[in-house]
Amino acid sequence: EAQVTQNPRYLITVTGKKLTVTCSQNMNHEYMSWYRQDPGLGLRQIYYSMNVEVTDKGDVPEGYKVSRKEKRNFPLILESPSPNQTSLYFCASSPRGRINEQFFGPGTRLTVL
Amino acid sequence: ELKVEQNPLFLSMQEGKNYTIYCNYSTTSDRLYWYRQDPGKSLESLFVLLSNGAVKQEGRLMASLDTKARLSTLHITAAVHDLSATYFCAEAAGNKLTFGGGTRVLVKP
Repeated sequence: EAQVTQNPRYLITVTGKKLTVTCSQNMNHEYMSWYRQDPGLGLRQIYYSMNVEVTDKGDVPEGYKVSRKEKRNFPLILESPSPNQTSLYFCASSPRGRINEQFFGPGTRLTVL
Repeated sequence: ELKVEQNPLFLSMQEGKNYTIYCNYSTTSDRLYWYRQDPGKSLESLFVLLSNGAVKQEGRLMASLDTKARLSTLHITAAVHDLSATYFCAEAAGNKLTFGGGTRVLVKP
């Protein structure tokens, strides 16, 4: 089954404790992206990757890091989480140049205390 | 900077009546997408609008695109409870999707 998986699905942590949210897709997609969703603001793009070892900033990259060492994985790293990073995070993937075919993962709800 | 604005942010509907959600965007993009999100769930693609004048329909939902006015609309005909969800429009520019703030729809009997 074609899918984008995220782990964990729910996470409560404390300020400053480094964490990683994993994202994996099994569709051999070149393009992967991370979004955060906050009430009234829709989804805002954090980082995206056009292919292995190619990443670029989205609209709200501050406080986040990503890496793309393998085509299927695109982890989101919060080196020192802060309460304003409490949000719902979505990973998505699509074939190159076909952004309208983005598959979204199930979401990760993160709370930073 | 891309900007996408949806109106209204919340829409309380009565079953059987018609409603419209508006999506204004800031660039000359001719690619506009609509998504649906059920509570606690991920996003589901509804429509892809790729040119001026494009109209797509699926069941009680119809989406249209006017690139000259930079406006897309999502029209709901004879609302039913199953349509309760949050609807997002998104504009594409290059490899970037910019989303509107979402319209939360609640259909009451």
